[in-house]
Amino acid sequence: KAGVTQTPRYLIKTRGQQVTLSCSPISGHRSVSWYQQTPGQGLQFLFEYFSETQRNKGNFPGRFSGRQFSNSRSEMNVSTLELGDSALYLCASTIAGGYNSPLHFGNGTRLTVT
Amino acid sequence: DQQVKQNSPSLSVQEGRISILNCDYTNSMFDYFLWYKKYPAEGPTFLISISSIKDKNEDGRFTVFLNKSAKHLSLHIVPSQPGDSAVYFCAASSDNYGQNFVFGPGTRLSVLP
Repeated sequence: KAGVTQTPRYLIKTRGQQVTLSCSPISGHRSVSWYQQTPGQGLQFLFEYFSETQRNKGNFPGRFSGRQFSNSRSEMNVSTLELGDSALYLCASTIAGGYNSPLHFGNGTRLTVT
Repeated sequence: DQQVKQNSPSLSVQEGRISILNCDYTNSMFDYFLWYKKYPAEGPTFLISISSIKDKNEDGRFTVFLNKSAKHLSLHIVPSQPGDSAVYFCAASSDNYGQNFVFGPGTRLSVLP
């Protein structure tokens, strides 16, 4: 069974630009979550989608948005990029999204904002 | 305010000995806990979980202990192997948070041959 796939692996963008990251969950998984990892901050929750609906949202500004398609694939968008947005963005999926189901992570997209 | 804390940023252990990684939490609503291992340039990999109705869960060389009254959990790795060298994250969740897992900052484990 293929794991969670994130594309692209690396991105370099300039301040003020926007970026879209893509995530394909494990087949059969309907819940997709996004996390931001920065040095010293651990993993910070961005949002979770289930059946094309955002079900839960973390404490990030509105510049961070996402969506989920009918095939459970998800995209995350960051507009008006800032230097502080440089991070590893991780996508994770679970079968049904119950809070007691482990997350299965992709290898992440490393975003560098210059 | 960190709800999940891992107070040791790093830990070094000799191969074959026990590794003990600790995690403390402040939110008494948390009732499901997980440990993840992360290698450089890879996403975190799920290791083991425990729900609050248990105080111990074992899976091969990995055992997680939960002390609810102290709001403390630990991961024991016995025996430690060089391939266990990675960053270990503790995470917690509750029904109130949905799929929002709260992660600790991680502990870097180095197993020395």
